[in-house]
Amino acid sequence: EVQLLESGGGLIQPGGSLRLSCAASGFTFSNYAMTWVRQAPGKGLEWVSAISGGGGGTYYTDSVKGRFTISRDNSKNTVYLQMNSLRAEDTALYYCARDLTVPPEAFDIWGQGTMVTVSS
Amino acid sequence: QSALTQPASVSGSPGQSITISCTGTSSDVGRYNYVSWYQQYPGKAPKLMIYDVSNRPSGVSNRFSGSKSGNTASLTISGLQDEDEADYYCSSYTSSTTVVFGGGTKLTVL
Repeated sequence: EVQLLESGGGLIQPGGSLRLSCAASGFTFSNYAMTWVRQAPGKGLEWVSAISGGGGGTYYTDSVKGRFTISRDNSKNTVYLQMNSLRAEDTALYYCARDLTVPPEAFDIWGQGTMVTVSS
Repeated sequence: QSALTQPASVSGSPGQSITISCTGTSSDVGRYNYVSWYQQYPGKAPKLMIYDVSNRPSGVSNRFSGSKSGNTASLTISGLQDEDEADYYCSSYTSSTTVVFGGGTKLTVL
């Protein structure tokens, strides 16, 4: 079964750091770009970041550039999102998703999400 | 990057057809045939319904169809059913090599 499982969320103070992980199974992980999408409570979806299958290409929305870093370990079938200098507005449910297409713009497999709450 | 514009809500009766619009700019929707649509139930992860403007992933009902004209994409659901009641989001690839989502549309089946 094709599956994505996120972990690493939690309650963190403003200015703090968290690393999210997304473990993939059921498909050839290195063949697919991967994406992080977030959803603030009661709000819509927001694309955050993407990484190519080989890891050589990384992409970010403007609001997280310089604070978030996406990476992947294809030997572990895992994609990561390192989040530094966290702000209250980063509070959201963070989903990882598999990119169906090239360029990475359609996400066909989603995890269940991991919640990040930034608050003092 | 500004969000794509969707109506906040649409409604229809069972059996009817509805259309949800998604308006962007010449840097996203108007530039590429890379528009997707997602269905999301409360408390659940989104589900891909349409990609590349009009393609349906395997397993998605052919009652769902997509189209595009200029800077506006559209999702049409025909033969509306109770289970179609959900939130719908469009997204588009952009000239900045990012992806932008719409604000979402709540579909109510009357």
